Amino acid sequence: NAGVTQTPKFRVLKTGQSMTLLCAQDMNHEYMYWYRQDPGMGLRLIHYSVGEGTTAKGEVPDGYNVSRLKKQNFLLGLESAAPSQTSVYFCASSYSTGEVRAFSNQPQHFGDGTRLSIL
Amino acid sequence: QKEVEQDPGPLSVPEGAIVSLNCTYSNSAFQYFMWYRQYSRKGPELLMYTYSSGNKEDGRFTAQVDKSSKYISLFIRDSQPSDSATYLCAMTVDTGRRALTFGSGTRLQVQP
Repeated sequence: NAGVTQTPKFRVLKTGQSMTLLCAQDMNHEYMYWYRQDPGMGLRLIHYSVGEGTTAKGEVPDGYNVSRLKKQNFLLGLESAAPSQTSVYFCASSYSTGEVRAFSNQPQHFGDGTRLSIL
Repeated sequence: QKEVEQDPGPLSVPEGAIVSLNCTYSNSAFQYFMWYRQYSRKGPELLMYTYSSGNKEDGRFTAQVDKSSKYISLFIRDSQPSDSATYLCAMTVDTGRRALTFGSGTRLQVQP
């Protein structure tokens, strides 16, 4: 049982190049998220998905696109990479439920991150 | 001003000490409060979770929430070198998307 797997773990890009980060989860979770983590800023939500075929913007969506074609996969794309997008990217997933108090049993499970440098 | 403020540290303590980690927040709508532990080059892992105000204890860890002061704390008793990590507070309003707002993290170093 792998949990949340992110591919690749490291990548160096040149300004203007494009790439796709892949997140895969094997827990049958409905919700998936992409965060970026920068020094002194904590984790900030880029985009999220509440189910297959649905996506929505988070706190810092500019310059990124996402797709959720399959329930287990959530892709993050950079169409034209910029140095400001140098960061560590984390994917997370969680269950969904209409029961509010059940949230305690639905932590967000995180992958180990993709370290992206843009020169 | 950030919605969630957390002292970045680093905080260095001797083994066996009691550690206190804190966050303040500005959004009174937050109802769910979490502490995540993040080891170097790893993803965050959920350590403690609390709903609304009050205390919650789990082994050596105690989480406290004071909604009137918009202040949350994590206490670690009998700290161990294996507790050395970055501790992130996180919180959320009860919304359908369940996305979290994180503090910037406090780096803790427990000296043997």
